[in-house]
Amino acid sequence: GDQVEQSPSALSLHEGTGSALRCNFTTTMRAVQWFRKNSRGSLINLFYLASGTKENGRLKSAFDSKERYSTLHIRDAQLEDSGTYFCAAVTGGYKVVFGSGTRLLVSP
Amino acid sequence: EAAVTQSPRNKVAVTGGKVTLSCNQTNNHNNMYWYRQDTGHGLRLIHYSYGAGSTEKGDIPDGYKASRPSQENFSLILELATPSQTSVYFCASGGNWGYYAEQFFGPGTRLTVL
Repeated sequence: GDQVEQSPSALSLHEGTGSALRCNFTTTMRAVQWFRKNSRGSLINLFYLASGTKENGRLKSAFDSKERYSTLHIRDAQLEDSGTYFCAAVTGGYKVVFGSGTRLLVSP
Repeated sequence: EAAVTQSPRNKVAVTGGKVTLSCNQTNNHNNMYWYRQDTGHGLRLIHYSYGAGSTEKGDIPDGYKASRPSQENFSLILELATPSQTSVYFCASGGNWGYYAEQFFGPGTRLTVL
């Protein structure tokens, strides 16, 4: 079935550094959405992409449907960026499949 | 700003009891969704709806029913709750009919079945 492989499963960053999260898809996806689950458990919308790249502050996301992946780049990480990040991909049949999440911990 | 609310925020139920989780959205979206999220897993789709009166089975519908009495409200019903249904449940709205658009999530309901 349609699957989303999200990596890494866990990530530790020091404040001011950066890294990238990645979701690989087993099939062509129509769109991808990125979320952060914060310490209160709420899902915060970060990006929705049908193609190309978007940038918002210290976050940047890219989606390549042909190559079957999406990335989320975090630069200059801050303590408040800690949380669990999820990607969710929209299949050709308009189903939504979530990745298993990346637990990010930003430390001083 | 999109607004999706859920009630209750926390619920403790007994095995075999009936549980109803409620969701309200003020986004005027046709599509609404119920997911559960378990530690170490992504969200999994239980039921969804294309509009008032419509309910569709998601990927893990067994043990759950759904009800969409109006555009704004979408309920998830556990007729006979079991401990395996202990989880965090998220409601979302977004898009119209069969077409996906950006989803907006409620704050989640933490359900514990003893």
